Amino acid sequence: GQNIDQPTEMTATEGAIVQINCTYQTSGFNGLFWYQQHAGEAPTFLSYNVLDGLEEKGRFSSFLSRSKGYSYLLLKELQMKDSASYLCAVRDRGSGYALNFGKGTSLLVTP
Amino acid sequence: DGGITQSPKYLFRKEGQNVTLSCEQNLNHDAMYWYRQDPGQGLRLIYYSQIVNDFQKGDIAEGYSVSREKKESFPLTVTSAQKNPTAFYLCASSTEGSPLHFGNGTRLTVT
Repeated sequence: GQNIDQPTEMTATEGAIVQINCTYQTSGFNGLFWYQQHAGEAPTFLSYNVLDGLEEKGRFSSFLSRSKGYSYLLLKELQMKDSASYLCAVRDRGSGYALNFGKGTSLLVTP
Repeated sequence: DGGITQSPKYLFRKEGQNVTLSCEQNLNHDAMYWYRQDPGQGLRLIYYSQIVNDFQKGDIAEGYSVSREKKESFPLTVTSAQKNPTAFYLCASSTEGSPLHFGNGTRLTVT
């Protein structure tokens, strides 16, 4: 099994930067994914890390340290529409291509 | 347009009845998955299939059954043995190494 931990809730101000952390434990790490999910909707893919370092995609960046079992998602220039749940997920070699998800971090962006 | 179709969006059933949730994809993906989402619980893996006529149990398979007779289709049956069937059910698909693509989900309510 896996333990994937991320904060339950975060609040940030429009225009600011927010960092959402994720720690994990797995025996056969094969990639870490971040998804965004608005209430009542399907998760949508944001980013993927399999090697250590930073991956940047526009306003979103994701970092991975495999030795520390740690990742973060960085959101810049926050917009009101960024209010959503952010899901950290880990792929393990023992589960084919299936992902194991953390419980998600609910981000509220305030004016 | 390629995608994953789940139907219906909302489903209501009486306790003790079996119910089948539909999932169809035209992305030509080999792998398909079923997840369940409850408030505060994140996504939990029910079943997954990496190839036609083969599937594996996920973390919470008890009370559920699946079939994979065609590459495009992966229906999920929620049986009367499932103690707490009311939930948001998400189907996903992927090809080797790619992120999971999710359908829009089916919200099942059992009373």
